[in-house]
Amino acid sequence: KNEVEQSPQNLTAQEGEFITINCSYSVGISALHWLQQHPGGGIVSLFMLSSGKKKHGRLIATINIQEKHSSLHITASHPRDSAVYICAVKSTYTVSLGDSGGGADGLTFGKGTHLIIQP
Amino acid sequence: DGGITQSPKYLFRKEGQNVTLSCEQNLNHDAMYWYRQDPGQGLRLIYYSQIVNDFQKGDIAEGYSVSREKKESFPLTVTSAQKNPTAFYLCASSLWGNQPQHFGDGTRLSIL
Repeated sequence: KNEVEQSPQNLTAQEGEFITINCSYSVGISALHWLQQHPGGGIVSLFMLSSGKKKHGRLIATINIQEKHSSLHITASHPRDSAVYICAVKSTYTVSLGDSGGGADGLTFGKGTHLIIQP
Repeated sequence: DGGITQSPKYLFRKEGQNVTLSCEQNLNHDAMYWYRQDPGQGLRLIYYSQIVNDFQKGDIAEGYSVSREKKESFPLTVTSAQKNPTAFYLCASSLWGNQPQHFGDGTRLSIL
């Protein structure tokens, strides 16, 4: 069974601080996603990566396939970055159990990291 | 602008009733997904569909049903067989294969 673990679960920081959120997973994957969920509930996809590093503005995502680990970094954090950040993976192993369902082609999600940036 | 529209934003159900959550996308995506989110838990896959008139059960399909009669639409019915339906429901879509998923704003379902 694929497990996705995020740390920390909750993080409060001051504006301007460098933020790191970690994600570890237990099986082989074809892709890892970082998502952002705002208080209203809507989710935005930040990154999809399968190797190396991606950068978008103040956000940087890295992945180490051998160690089954990814990090999301936020530089010069701002109160508007306050949100829940979710790591999700697409496993390379898909189980099909017919009518009994089970293991599907969607993503496996971590429980999220609740980030608060204080002014 | 292209996107995913979920409606309604809030939905209340009496015990024993079936309710249907709407999900429409104009992104021309092949694949659509329904997820359930409970407090303190990660999103869990209910159903997904790769193409019109085909769909597959996810990890927690019991008590739910779906249809995919049109590419743009993937409604989810929460039946009376779902014993704990109170949750936040998210619909997503993507091009098929290893592509980013686009999410709707969600529907929050509560039991009266």
